[in-house]
Amino acid sequence: AQKVTQAQTEISVVEKEDVTLDCVYETRDTTYYLFWYKQPPSGELVFLIRRNSFDEQNEISGRYSWNFQKSTSSFNFTITASQVVDSAVYFCALSGSYNQGGKLIFGQGTELSVKP
Amino acid sequence: EAQVTQNPRYLITVTGKKLTVTCSQNMNHEYMSWYRQDPGLGLRQIYYSMNVEVTDKGDVPEGYKVSRKEKRNFPLILESPSPNQTSLYFCASSLQQGAKKTQYFGPGTRLLVL
Repeated sequence: AQKVTQAQTEISVVEKEDVTLDCVYETRDTTYYLFWYKQPPSGELVFLIRRNSFDEQNEISGRYSWNFQKSTSSFNFTITASQVVDSAVYFCALSGSYNQGGKLIFGQGTELSVKP
Repeated sequence: EAQVTQNPRYLITVTGKKLTVTCSQNMNHEYMSWYRQDPGLGLRQIYYSMNVEVTDKGDVPEGYKVSRKEKRNFPLILESPSPNQTSLYFCASSLQQGAKKTQYFGPGTRLLVL
């Protein structure tokens, strides 16, 4: 079975703090793909990043960085110097090679609140 | 601008009154999918389509129908809506079916069934 766990339901930080959102996944597939999506208060789902299981190189995009560790089945997301506009619900998602229907398996989401 | 559009964005209806939520993408994507998002249950796939005239059930297809007559459109049909279909609905599309293709989501449709 495939599963994504985001243990942190809510996180609250003060602006300019760094924050890490945790994501742990389970899959039997040898090839799989991991994603992060952002859902701001307006409700849409915004794609942030995709990572392939065979590429463990970490990635940085501006204030965002992602740490993928196959050994611990984790794909954590760090926001450096957080801003109020980062306030949103963040979803980690998994899709396996043989996943029926190409569906994404989502975690329950982490609600991030950045206070000024 | 490359995008997935959904209409309507908000809808209040009554039990049993047929409705259609439209979804359209302008990226020439082959794969399209519908999800619903509910508190405590997260996001779940309703139906998907790998190409024109090819559709299949996802995890929660009961009470829904879809069609894919054109590549760009993938409407979600509720023949006889019930209150348990009150939800936030998302349409998504990607270049192809398969895990490695990133799915891009529409803005969502908030449906309330009274």
